[in-house]
Amino acid sequence: QSALTQPASVSGSPGQAITISCTGTSSDVGGYNYVSWYQQHPGKAPKLMIYDVIKRPSGISNRFSGSKSGKTASLTISGLQAEDEADYYCSSYTTSTTVVFGGGTKVTVL
Amino acid sequence: EVQLLESGGGLVQPGGSLRLSCAASGFTFSNYAIHWVRQAPGKGLEWVSAMSGSATSTYYADSVKGRFTISRDNSKNTLYLQMNSLRAEDTAVYYCAKAADFHVFDYWGQGILVTVSS
Repeated sequence: QSALTQPASVSGSPGQAITISCTGTSSDVGGYNYVSWYQQHPGKAPKLMIYDVIKRPSGISNRFSGSKSGKTASLTISGLQAEDEADYYCSSYTTSTTVVFGGGTKVTVL
Repeated sequence: EVQLLESGGGLVQPGGSLRLSCAASGFTFSNYAIHWVRQAPGKGLEWVSAMSGSATSTYYADSVKGRFTISRDNSKNTLYLQMNSLRAEDTAVYYCAKAADFHVFDYWGQGILVTVSS
C-alpha cells in the first residue's frame, strides 16, 4: 500500500488561508469518504482534526475544514495562527481493510 | 478521561523480539478497535496493525505481516503487539490509537520508542 501524496511543506502569513492536498487512488481516497486529518506538534502525539472528509471533532476550531474531489482530499486552515504551525497528515481507509497515511506536510506560519 | 499508555519499548538487536503493551482507561475497551501506528525518526506516520474490539479480527500492514502479532485482553483493558524478527527499519516511536470508527483515530497514546540496532 503506497502512502498518500501530500506536499512536503506549505506556508502562509497570519490570518491567511492555506490548503493542503492529499492524493490517493480509487482504492483509498477516491473510493470512500473516509479521509481523516491529524495535526502533530514536535514531540507530541497526533491529534484528530477532521474525519470522514468534512467532519470536525468536538473542540476543533471551525477554522479547519475538509473537502474531497475525486482522488484528492484537502484540508483548509483559515485565519492562520502561530499555533497552527505543525505537521499535518491525511489518512484514508482502503479496500484492503487497512489505513494508509500521507507523507505529511509541514505548515509554517511566516 | 480516555487514556492510552504504551510500554515495553527499548533497544533490541536485529532479529530479536519485543512485546509492546497499550493499557487503556476511560472508555469501554471491548467496544472499540485499537490500532498501532509507528513513526520512524524524522519520518511520517505509518499504519501498522489493528484489532477489532471483540478480538475476532486482525489487520496488518504488508511491511509487518508474518512478523508482528496483535492481540488484546479485554479483561485487562490492554492491547499488545508482539514483534519478532525485528529489523533496523522497524526502529520508530510506536503509538496505540483508539478508533472511533475503524479508520478514525480519536485518541492516541504518548508513544514508545523501539530501537533495533546492534
